[in-house]
Amino acid sequence: EVQLVESGGGLVQPGGSLRLSCAASGFTFSSYSMNWVRQAPGKGLEWVSYISRSSTIYYADSVKGRFTISRDNAKNSLYLQMNSLRAEDTAVYYCAREPDYYESSSFDYWGQGTLVTVSS
Amino acid sequence: QSVLTQPPSVSAAPGQKVTISCSGSSSNIGNDYVSWYQQLPGTAPKLLIYENNKRPSGIPDRFSGSKSGTSATLGITGLQTGDEADYYCATWDSSLSVVFGGGTKLTVV
Repeated sequence: EVQLVESGGGLVQPGGSLRLSCAASGFTFSSYSMNWVRQAPGKGLEWVSYISRSSTIYYADSVKGRFTISRDNAKNSLYLQMNSLRAEDTAVYYCAREPDYYESSSFDYWGQGTLVTVSS
Repeated sequence: QSVLTQPPSVSAAPGQKVTISCSGSSSNIGNDYVSWYQQLPGTAPKLLIYENNKRPSGIPDRFSGSKSGTSATLGITGLQTGDEADYYCATWDSSLSVVFGGGTKLTVV
């Protein structure tokens, strides 16, 4: 069974940092691209970042220069290092799997999400 | 303001059919496939449609997708109360990012 479990969320002050993790199981993690998607309270989905199997990386403009995505295939884990956090980064952060055998970006499995709250 | 435009809400009676539109541009929908996601209250999103009109295993054929030019449509037939959810379209954009629609809340009344 495919499972994605996020952790690392919490309350952080503006300007602070947080590192999110996503533990993957039930599939060959190294064979898939991965993404982070967030959802502010009561709002819609917003894509945050992508990392391919070969570590090609893309970011949304809203987080570029502040967030860093990475993966450790040996640990079946995806990470999101978030620096210089702002109130508008407050959201539930989901990790999502992206099969390369799809012709385009589609996320077939999602984690349950971890809440990040940026507030003083 | 989302890059892809969806109606904020739609409603229909049980057993009826509903469609949800998603409008974009030549930079996104016009140049790539569209996916659709269902988000039930309090849960993570779930993939309903990929590559415009394909259903992942386990998704009933009551759900369908289509695309024409720079717009896409999600169709749901035989509506059930359990279909009440938020629905999002998404696609790749030439700005090297994934873009989502603002979401459509489906009410089955």
